[in-house]
Amino acid sequence: NAGVMQNPRHLVRRRGQEARLRCSPMKGHSHVYWYRQLPEEGLKFMVYLQKENIIDESGMPKERFSAEFPKEGPSILRIQQVVRGDSAAYFCASSIRQGGTEAFFGQGTRLTVV
Amino acid sequence: AQSVAQPEDQVNVAEGNPLTVKCTYSVSGNPYLFWYVQYPNRGLQFLLKYITGDNLVKGSYGFEAEFNKSQTSFHLKKPSALVSDSALYFCAVRAAGSNDYKLSFGAGTTVTVRA
Repeated sequence: NAGVMQNPRHLVRRRGQEARLRCSPMKGHSHVYWYRQLPEEGLKFMVYLQKENIIDESGMPKERFSAEFPKEGPSILRIQQVVRGDSAAYFCASSIRQGGTEAFFGQGTRLTVV
Repeated sequence: AQSVAQPEDQVNVAEGNPLTVKCTYSVSGNPYLFWYVQYPNRGLQFLLKYITGDNLVKGSYGFEAEFNKSQTSFHLKKPSALVSDSALYFCAVRAAGSNDYKLSFGAGTTVTVRA
């Protein structure tokens, strides 16, 4: 059973471009969480999705950031018009149910905005 | 609101010596507590968790942690550290219950084990 798969592992974007980060949860998991790790900081919750639904996006910046988890395919975190401050590691986690005591994390996507 | 404090940015120990990484937390109600490790350019790896039951929790790679409710602490320990334990360690907390899912992480503690 493959773990949580994130791609790409590294992504470089110029200011103003769009970044798309993908997350495929573990098999059988329908709950996906995105976290952001800024330099020298711990992970901060961004958004929680179930299939085709955004459950909690309280940690998402109000502008330029969006997330989806379609019926088929991976969850996508989309950042439009990236700025240098978006440079961070973005981690995805999945769980088999809401409130499950274990969330399994992917290896992260390291976004660098130049 | 829930939060985690890891008071030490860095911990340095000699190989073979005991290792302790400190964590204190704040949460409404009962906590679920977790430790994760992050090796350079790698993702988060789960080490152990406290959900309920025994206050002493044993996890992967010889690590253990002790839940202390009165001190709101969940310190990570290893009796004899290895050079390969050098990594970044994160403590995390969330409220107990099936309606809660949001993990709050500490800022991390960098552990360096010297040979």
